[in-house]
Amino acid sequence: AQKVTQAQTEISVVEKEDVTLDCVYETRDTTYYLFWYKQPPSGELVFLIRRNSFDEQNEISGRYSWNFQKSTSSFNFTITASQVVDSAVYFCALTSHNTDKLIFGTGTRLQVFP
Amino acid sequence: DGGITQSPKYLFRKEGQNVTLSCEQNLNHDAMYWYRQDPGQGLRLIYYSQIVNDFQKGDIAEGYSVSREKKESFPLTVTSAQKNPTAFYLCASSSNRDRGIYGYTFGSGTRLTVV
Repeated sequence: AQKVTQAQTEISVVEKEDVTLDCVYETRDTTYYLFWYKQPPSGELVFLIRRNSFDEQNEISGRYSWNFQKSTSSFNFTITASQVVDSAVYFCALTSHNTDKLIFGTGTRLQVFP
Repeated sequence: DGGITQSPKYLFRKEGQNVTLSCEQNLNHDAMYWYRQDPGQGLRLIYYSQIVNDFQKGDIAEGYSVSREKKESFPLTVTSAQKNPTAFYLCASSSNRDRGIYGYTFGSGTRLTVV
């Protein structure tokens, strides 16, 4: 069975602090895909990144960066110099060719205070 | 603009009543999904459909029903059999050609409250 664990339920930081959101996954498939989504207060899930299991390169997009480590089955997300607009719930998710669905973690609520 | 439209945004239901949540997409996606979101529980899959006139139960299908008569539409009915229907409901879609490996597109959700 596939599973995604986001152990951090809620994180609070002050603006300009760096923050890392953890994601640990379980799968028996050798080919799989990992995602991060952002859910602002409006409710819609916004796609942030997709990573396949064969690409372990870390990725940086502006203030966002992702660290994918197959050895520890982790796909962590770091926000550098956080801003109030980063306040949201962030979900990590997993799928593969052997499943028909996207498996989500329970989400991490990030609050960034001015 | 292509996307997913969920309506209404807020819905109130009396106990014992059935209610239907609308989900329409103009992305030409084959697959559509319904998720339920409760605080602290993430997103749980209710039903999904990969093709017109076919759908499968997800992890928490009891008390819900769906139909897929058109590619663009995947309405969800919350029946009176659903014991605790108050939640946030999200609809999503993906292209069947890639089986969702490029992720899903989500609607903006419907917040259902039982009064």
